[in-house]
Amino acid sequence: SAVISQKPSRDICQRGTSLTIQCQVDSQVTMMFWYRQQPGQSLTLIATANQGSEATYESGFVIDKFPISRPNLTFSTLTVSNMSPEDSSIYLCSVGHYYNEQFFGPGTRLTVL
Amino acid sequence: QKEVEQNSGPLSVPEGAIASLNCTYSDRGSQSFFWYRQYSGKSPELIMFIYSNGDKEDGRFTAQLNKASQYVSLLIRDSQPSDSATYLCASARGNQFYFGTGTSLTVIP
Repeated sequence: SAVISQKPSRDICQRGTSLTIQCQVDSQVTMMFWYRQQPGQSLTLIATANQGSEATYESGFVIDKFPISRPNLTFSTLTVSNMSPEDSSIYLCSVGHYYNEQFFGPGTRLTVL
Repeated sequence: QKEVEQNSGPLSVPEGAIASLNCTYSDRGSQSFFWYRQYSGKSPELIMFIYSNGDKEDGRFTAQLNKASQYVSLLIRDSQPSDSATYLCASARGNQFYFGTGTSLTVIP
């Protein structure tokens, strides 16, 4: 399994601002994923981040709101832009290889006031 | 129809009993299946994966896959209070990965 770290672990932000979440893996991985999980709810995939190409966004998520970078095979960032209280959630990155298991980072707990 | 469906529970079992968690999937082309455990406030943790029809055992955990019925299950033997968590079922096909909504399990001492 991979060791995955996320920064920050939590943050409290003001409405209208942006937050960039970093995800670092200790080994090269093919695929990185960004999820959102609201309290008591299941995981919602935001996008798949592939190195060297544009991220693939799921229905309901757009690049202007959630820009993603994937500069190499061990690192990715997710930015939550122009935040509103509805963006308050836990944001999780995960890593995996083609049709194999995913491993999750510890998550970033975001509160927007 | 969701790709992966689970009974949300909650499921309660007494300590020492067998907990049975079930999952169905809609894509017959799914290649691999996973069970994750998620404690409250923590991220999901992989506990089992299975690719082939039949049973796969790992300690107190047994994953069962029936591709004809599109059914995956997880059995937890000798359930412990520390097994109380939400269990997520997932399927994968190529680079598509689908999670169920999870089943909440409570093991009563």
